[in-house]
Amino acid sequence: GAVVSQHPSWVICKSGTSVKIECRSLDFQATTMFWYRQFPKQSLMLMATSNEGSKATYEQGVEKDKFLINHASLTLSTLTVTSAHPEDSSFYICSAAPGANRRSTQYFGPGTRLTVL
Amino acid sequence: DQQVKQNSPSLSVQEGRISILNCDYTNSMFDYFLWYKKYPAEGPTFLISISSIKDKNEDGRFTVFLNKSAKHLSLHIVPSQPGDSAVYFCAARGWQGAQKLVFGQGTRLTINP
Repeated sequence: GAVVSQHPSWVICKSGTSVKIECRSLDFQATTMFWYRQFPKQSLMLMATSNEGSKATYEQGVEKDKFLINHASLTLSTLTVTSAHPEDSSFYICSAAPGANRRSTQYFGPGTRLTVL
Repeated sequence: DQQVKQNSPSLSVQEGRISILNCDYTNSMFDYFLWYKKYPAEGPTFLISISSIKDKNEDGRFTVFLNKSAKHLSLHIVPSQPGDSAVYFCAARGWQGAQKLVFGQGTRLTINP
């Protein structure tokens, strides 16, 4: 149980285009989903927290107009990187928590490798 | 401001021996700590956690120790197996940040046969 999927697993796009990444909780309902970014040999950095049916909460320094997050249902959250540039190239990972309780374990997706040319 | 630090970027251990991964934190509001294992191009997998009211938690070959006064935790793996080769992240959570996790930089563990 507690499987989280991401699609696509990798994507290559041209500079200036937008890319959408999906995160799904397959066998549980996720009240809260999280989006992280990991640069090579660095830590996972939380970008934003999304709660179903409400606006996402972005971490300091993360542009909400560039990284659009939609949490339309209890099993799906999407991250859209708008007008992508080469510096947005990174590994994007989502996680989902089964409940709103802060002790709920986060289960991570396999990640999406974004390369912007 | 790196609130969770893993000062050893890599560690090499012989198969069958004990692996000890260390993690330090600076924020005294953290009250729950987790260890995750990550393979390349995959998401982290939860390993073991510990609450700040405890100083030790054990699960099979994995034991996490917490020293609150030193703001230090460690993950012991014994005996180490080749399949344990991965990057290990420690993460911390505080009551103020709800479910928000703060990750360390990770330590790459290599188990040599």
